[in-house]
Amino acid sequence: AQSVTQLDSQVPVFEEAPVELRCNYSSSVSVYLFWYVQYPNQGLQLLLKYLSGSTLVESINGFEAEFNKSQTSFHLRKPSVHISDTAEYFCAVTPRNSGNTPLVFGKGTRLSVIA
Amino acid sequence: GAVVSQHPSRVICKSGTSVKIECRSLDFQATTMFWYRQFPKQSLMLMATSNEGSKATYEQGVEKDKFLINHASLTLSTLTVTSAHPEDSSFYICSARGQGGNTGELFFGEGSRLTVL
Repeated sequence: AQSVTQLDSQVPVFEEAPVELRCNYSSSVSVYLFWYVQYPNQGLQLLLKYLSGSTLVESINGFEAEFNKSQTSFHLRKPSVHISDTAEYFCAVTPRNSGNTPLVFGKGTRLSVIA
Repeated sequence: GAVVSQHPSRVICKSGTSVKIECRSLDFQATTMFWYRQFPKQSLMLMATSNEGSKATYEQGVEKDKFLINHASLTLSTLTVTSAHPEDSSFYICSARGQGGNTGELFFGEGSRLTVL
């Protein structure tokens, strides 16, 4: 079984400051890793994913995450945040070649960007 | 990316009535759909896995007779909350993984907020 730990439930940060949202996972098999973003009263949108290859993955809106196998981490970073980045961020994991296996989510981190 | 649509986005009902939520994959065929439930300011909890043409698989603690799931076609899964009570009020989100999809990514619907009075 897999599990995901997001250590920070809330992260307040000033606009244009950098931010890191932490994610650690546990699994006995190889996994795919994801970050999803959820705006109020909406579903989840995929932000970025790690499947294989380069351990650093980037999104189109400036976020990046790095897969660290030895530390079983997949932290999300952005060098300069905007007000519009205020949202809930979920880290998720699923076994490779998962077929019918669902995603397992962390508890989420609420990012609040302050003007 | 693939699109998953849920309907209705919001529903208010009286206690004791039943509510049906639809989840459709608009531009791909979904052999498997997952139904999640999210309480305010909490994470997503998997309720059940819906497989086209077969019975849904429910997670431990989820009443299958209360939360009826039907996946009658490759593009539609429905969740019916039967005899709803106020404690069933929640945000329900469906997600789908396409045919042949081996990357693990799930595509999510917009969610349906159920309020039971």
